[in-house]
Amino acid sequence: KNQVEQSPQSLIILEGKNCTLQCNYTVSPFSNLRWYKQDTGRGPVSLTIMTFSENTKSNGRYTATLDADTKQSSLHITASQLSDSASYICVVSEASNYQLIWGAGTKLIIKP
Amino acid sequence: NAGVTQTPKFRVLKTGQSMTLLCAQDMNHEYMYWYRQDPGMGLRLIHYSVGEGTTAKGEVPDGYNVSRLKKQNFLLGLESAAPSQTSVYFCASRRGLTGVVFGPGTRLTVL
Repeated sequence: KNQVEQSPQSLIILEGKNCTLQCNYTVSPFSNLRWYKQDTGRGPVSLTIMTFSENTKSNGRYTATLDADTKQSSLHITASQLSDSASYICVVSEASNYQLIWGAGTKLIIKP
Repeated sequence: NAGVTQTPKFRVLKTGQSMTLLCAQDMNHEYMYWYRQDPGMGLRLIHYSVGEGTTAKGEVPDGYNVSRLKKQNFLLGLESAAPSQTSVYFCASRRGLTGVVFGPGTRLTVL
């Protein structure tokens, strides 16, 4: 069964610190992996998208990595800011159809 | 370029009432999706469309119907609302491998 699992479920860090969020998936055949940021009460906003051949992709203070062999991805946030408080969701696209398999998300709270 | 818009933003229904949620996108995207998100949970796919005139069931389609008569619009209908359908509904669209663009959401409460 195609699944996307994220860890940790929630994370609290101090402003200015770095953190790394994990995503493991069993989706096959694999097409691409996306990381989204979702603020409370709003729709998800795309941070990065990576295909099979891409190992890393950055978007400002966000850096995503992908290991297609072990089916793992991580999202690293550098020098966290209060505005980074949100849910971060990993989404994997299956190559054989048009559906997206969603992880449950990691709730990140940045404290001053 | 408005992106993905959803109407209405909020709605309260009584059990058994019907309603239609409208999603519109102006980016010429082929694929459109309807998701629901319950508190503390991830998004679950209700129905999706790969092009004008085509629709398909997602993970949780029961109690919902959809139509895509025009490429830019994707309608989600509830024929007989139930309290279990209280949720936030998100519409999304994408083109090829580009990132999915989400609408702002519709908060629906069924009493």
